[in-house]
Amino acid sequence: DAGVTQSPTHLIKTRGQQVTLRCSPKSGHDTVSWYQQALGQGPQFIFQYYEEEERQRGNFPDRFSGHQFPNYSSELNVNALWLGDSALYLCASSLEGGRAAEQYFGPGTRLTVT
Amino acid sequence: AQSVTQPDIHITVSEGASLELRCNYSYGATPYLFWYVQSPGQGLQLLLKYFSGDTLVQGIKGFEAEFKRSQSSFNLRKPSVHWSDAAEYFCAVGYSGGYQKVTFGTGTKLQVIP
Repeated sequence: DAGVTQSPTHLIKTRGQQVTLRCSPKSGHDTVSWYQQALGQGPQFIFQYYEEEERQRGNFPDRFSGHQFPNYSSELNVNALWLGDSALYLCASSLEGGRAAEQYFGPGTRLTVT
Repeated sequence: AQSVTQPDIHITVSEGASLELRCNYSYGATPYLFWYVQSPGQGLQLLLKYFSGDTLVQGIKGFEAEFKRSQSSFNLRKPSVHWSDAAEYFCAVGYSGGYQKVTFGTGTKLQVIP
Protein backbone atom coordinates (compact mmCIF):
# COMPACT_ATOMS: atom_id res chain seq x y z
CA ASP A 1 0.00 0.00 0.00
CA ALA A 2 1.69 3.15 -1.24
CA GLY A 3 1.80 5.97 1.23
CA VAL A 4 1.82 9.67 0.45
CA THR A 5 4.49 10.60 -2.07
CA GLN A 6 5.86 14.03 -2.90
CA SER A 7 8.12 15.38 -5.60
CA PRO A 8 10.65 16.74 -5.90
CA THR A 9 12.58 16.00 -2.70
CA HIS A 10 14.63 19.16 -2.83
CA LEU A 11 14.37 22.33 -4.85
CA ILE A 12 16.41 25.53 -5.09
CA LYS A 13 14.82 28.63 -6.58
CA THR A 14 15.65 32.31 -6.88
CA ARG A 15 13.57 35.15 -5.46
CA GLY A 16 10.74 36.12 -7.78
CA GLN A 17 10.53 32.74 -9.47
CA GLN A 18 7.60 30.38 -9.40
CA VAL A 19 7.56 26.79 -8.13
CA THR A 20 5.25 23.79 -8.38
CA LEU A 21 5.28 20.96 -5.87
CA ARG A 22 3.45 17.68 -6.37
CA CYS A 23 1.71 15.20 -4.10
CA SER A 24 0.09 11.81 -4.57
CA PRO A 25 -2.18 10.79 -1.72
CA LYS A 26 -2.28 7.49 0.07
CA SER A 27 -4.26 4.87 -1.80
CA GLY A 28 -7.97 5.28 -1.09
CA HIS A 29 -7.68 8.85 0.19
CA ASP A 30 -9.53 11.69 -1.50
CA THR A 31 -8.54 14.78 0.49
CA VAL A 32 -5.19 16.54 0.33
CA SER A 33 -3.86 19.20 2.70
CA TRP A 34 -0.69 21.24 2.35
CA TYR A 35 1.46 22.53 5.21
CA GLN A 36 4.51 24.76 5.40
CA GLN A 37 7.11 23.97 8.04
CA ALA A 38 9.75 26.63 8.54
CA LEU A 39 12.97 25.65 10.27
CA GLY A 40 12.39 25.05 13.97
CA GLN A 41 8.64 25.48 13.71
CA GLY A 42 5.59 23.27 13.61
CA PRO A 43 3.73 22.76 10.35
CA GLN A 44 1.38 25.58 9.36
CA PHE A 45 -1.78 24.78 7.43
CA ILE A 46 -1.84 26.30 3.93
CA PHE A 47 -5.01 24.85 2.40
CA GLN A 48 -7.01 21.72 1.77
CA TYR A 49 -8.45 20.23 -1.42
CA TYR A 50 -11.42 17.96 -1.81
CA GLU A 51 -13.36 17.17 -4.98
CA GLU A 52 -10.90 19.32 -6.92
CA GLU A 53 -11.81 22.43 -4.97
CA GLU A 54 -10.07 24.41 -2.26
CA ARG A 55 -12.35 24.23 0.72
CA GLN A 56 -10.33 25.66 3.57
CA ARG A 57 -7.36 28.00 3.70
CA GLY A 58 -4.91 29.07 6.33
CA ASN A 59 -3.31 32.48 6.71
CA PHE A 60 -1.30 32.44 3.49
CA PRO A 61 -1.31 35.01 0.66
CA ASP A 62 -2.76 34.46 -2.78
CA ARG A 63 0.74 33.75 -4.06
CA PHE A 64 0.07 30.27 -2.75
CA SER A 65 -2.37 28.37 -4.92
CA GLY A 66 -3.16 24.77 -5.60
CA HIS A 67 -4.96 22.27 -7.66
CA GLN A 68 -6.40 18.81 -7.23
CA PHE A 69 -6.78 16.42 -10.13
CA PRO A 70 -9.48 13.80 -10.73
CA ASN A 71 -7.12 11.09 -9.49
CA TYR A 72 -6.88 13.05 -6.17
CA SER A 73 -3.25 14.05 -6.66
CA SER A 74 -2.46 17.66 -5.97
CA GLU A 75 -0.09 20.49 -6.79
CA LEU A 76 1.01 23.44 -4.72
CA ASN A 77 2.10 26.53 -6.67
CA VAL A 78 3.95 29.46 -5.18
CA ASN A 79 4.44 32.59 -7.28
CA ALA A 80 6.89 35.45 -6.79
CA LEU A 81 8.99 33.53 -4.29
CA TRP A 82 10.34 35.31 -1.22
CA LEU A 83 13.30 34.28 0.88
CA GLY A 84 10.80 33.59 3.65
CA ASP A 85 9.16 30.89 1.56
CA SER A 86 12.15 28.66 2.24
CA ALA A 87 10.71 25.73 4.19
CA LEU A 88 9.75 22.09 4.16
CA TYR A 89 6.41 21.69 2.39
CA LEU A 90 4.38 18.77 3.60
CA CYS A 91 1.45 17.14 1.92
CA ALA A 92 -1.06 15.14 3.95
CA SER A 93 -3.88 12.97 2.73
CA SER A 94 -7.04 11.81 4.45
CA LEU A 95 -10.39 10.28 3.73
CA GLU A 96 -13.47 12.44 3.64
CA GLY A 97 -16.03 10.89 5.93
CA GLY A 98 -13.34 9.09 7.87
CA ARG A 99 -12.09 10.16 11.25
CA ALA A 100 -11.78 13.89 10.85
CA ALA A 101 -8.20 15.11 10.61
CA GLU A 102 -6.60 11.66 10.66
CA GLN A 103 -3.99 12.68 8.14
CA TYR A 104 -1.04 10.81 6.72
CA PHE A 105 1.99 12.84 5.76
CA GLY A 106 4.45 12.56 2.95
CA PRO A 107 8.21 13.04 3.36
CA GLY A 108 8.03 16.65 2.21
CA THR A 109 9.73 18.86 -0.35
CA ARG A 110 12.56 21.04 0.92
CA LEU A 111 12.38 24.40 -0.87
CA THR A 112 15.29 26.81 -0.65
CA VAL A 113 14.87 30.32 -2.03
CA THR A 114 18.07 32.27 -2.65
CA ALA B 1 -9.77 29.12 17.37
CA GLN B 2 -7.93 25.95 18.21
CA SER B 3 -4.35 26.15 19.46
CA VAL B 4 -1.68 23.88 20.90
CA THR B 5 1.07 24.69 23.37
CA GLN B 6 4.14 22.57 23.89
CA PRO B 7 5.95 24.31 26.74
CA ASP B 8 9.21 22.39 26.44
CA ILE B 9 11.28 23.32 23.40
CA HIS B 10 14.07 20.88 24.16
CA ILE B 11 14.30 17.89 26.53
CA THR B 12 17.28 15.67 27.28
CA VAL B 13 16.87 12.26 28.89
CA SER B 14 19.18 9.33 29.51
CA GLU B 15 18.62 6.12 27.61
CA GLY B 16 16.38 3.84 29.67
CA ALA B 17 14.82 6.70 31.60
CA SER B 18 11.15 7.53 31.45
CA LEU B 19 9.82 10.35 29.30
CA GLU B 20 6.90 12.73 29.46
CA LEU B 21 6.29 15.42 26.84
CA ARG B 22 3.71 18.04 27.70
CA CYS B 23 0.92 19.30 25.49
CA ASN B 24 -1.91 21.69 26.25
CA TYR B 25 -4.65 22.54 23.81
CA SER B 26 -7.34 25.13 23.44
CA TYR B 27 -10.51 24.13 21.69
CA GLY B 28 -14.16 24.76 22.38
CA ALA B 29 -15.51 21.30 21.76
CA THR B 30 -14.22 17.77 22.20
CA PRO B 31 -10.94 17.73 20.32
CA TYR B 32 -9.27 15.18 18.18
CA LEU B 33 -5.71 14.95 19.46
CA PHE B 34 -2.57 13.59 17.87
CA TRP B 35 1.10 13.09 18.52
CA TYR B 36 3.48 12.99 15.57
CA VAL B 37 7.21 12.31 15.46
CA GLN B 38 9.61 13.79 12.93
CA SER B 39 13.17 12.65 12.40
CA PRO B 40 15.61 15.18 10.90
CA GLY B 41 14.73 16.04 7.31
CA GLN B 42 11.77 13.68 7.31
CA GLY B 43 8.01 13.94 7.19
CA LEU B 44 5.68 13.34 10.11
CA GLN B 45 4.80 9.91 11.44
CA LEU B 46 1.65 9.45 13.49
CA LEU B 47 2.43 8.00 16.92
CA LEU B 48 -1.07 7.91 18.36
CA LYS B 49 -4.44 9.59 18.28
CA TYR B 50 -7.39 10.29 20.54
CA PHE B 51 -10.91 10.69 19.23
CA SER B 52 -13.15 9.54 22.09
CA GLY B 53 -13.54 6.81 24.68
CA ASP B 54 -10.70 5.58 26.84
CA THR B 55 -8.59 8.56 27.82
CA LEU B 56 -5.38 6.53 27.85
CA VAL B 57 -4.33 5.71 24.31
CA GLN B 58 -1.57 3.43 23.17
CA GLY B 59 0.52 4.14 20.15
CA ILE B 60 3.40 2.75 18.19
CA LYS B 61 6.97 2.35 19.47
CA GLY B 62 5.81 1.91 23.07
CA PHE B 63 4.35 5.41 23.45
CA GLU B 64 1.13 6.27 25.23
CA ALA B 65 -0.76 9.47 25.92
CA GLU B 66 -3.45 10.48 28.38
CA PHE B 67 -6.26 12.90 27.59
CA LYS B 68 -7.22 15.00 30.60
CA ARG B 69 -10.17 17.22 29.77
CA SER B 70 -10.03 19.11 33.08
CA GLN B 71 -6.46 20.16 32.40
CA SER B 72 -6.82 20.51 28.60
CA SER B 73 -3.78 18.30 28.29
CA PHE B 74 -2.63 15.38 26.20
CA ASN B 75 0.82 14.43 27.49
CA LEU B 76 2.95 11.82 25.76
CA ARG B 77 4.78 9.21 27.82
CA LYS B 78 7.19 6.36 27.40
CA PRO B 79 8.45 4.25 30.30
CA SER B 80 11.93 3.59 28.89
CA VAL B 81 13.49 5.70 26.17
CA HIS B 82 15.72 4.24 23.45
CA TRP B 83 18.44 6.14 21.61
CA SER B 84 16.37 5.82 18.41
CA ASP B 85 13.60 7.92 19.99
CA ALA B 86 15.70 11.06 19.53
CA ALA B 87 13.59 13.22 17.23
CA GLU B 88 11.15 16.11 17.30
CA TYR B 89 7.67 15.50 18.63
CA PHE B 90 4.60 17.47 17.67
CA CYS B 91 1.26 17.57 19.40
CA ALA B 92 -1.70 18.50 17.22
CA VAL B 93 -5.41 19.19 17.57
CA GLY B 94 -7.95 18.44 14.89
CA TYR B 95 -11.30 20.02 14.26
CA SER B 96 -14.06 17.68 15.37
CA GLY B 97 -16.62 19.02 12.97
CA GLY B 98 -16.58 19.81 9.31
CA TYR B 99 -13.23 20.35 7.69
CA GLN B 100 -10.13 18.40 8.56
CA LYS B 101 -7.74 21.18 9.50
CA VAL B 102 -5.05 20.25 11.99
CA THR B 103 -3.23 22.76 14.19
CA PHE B 104 0.24 21.83 15.38
CA GLY B 105 2.29 22.89 18.36
CA THR B 106 5.80 24.21 17.92
CA GLY B 107 7.35 20.89 18.80
CA THR B 108 9.64 19.42 21.48
CA LYS B 109 13.07 18.26 20.45
CA LEU B 110 14.13 15.13 22.34
CA GLN B 111 17.80 14.34 22.88
CA VAL B 112 18.74 10.93 24.29
CA ILE B 113 22.11 10.52 25.97
CA PRO B 114 23.72 7.11 26.50
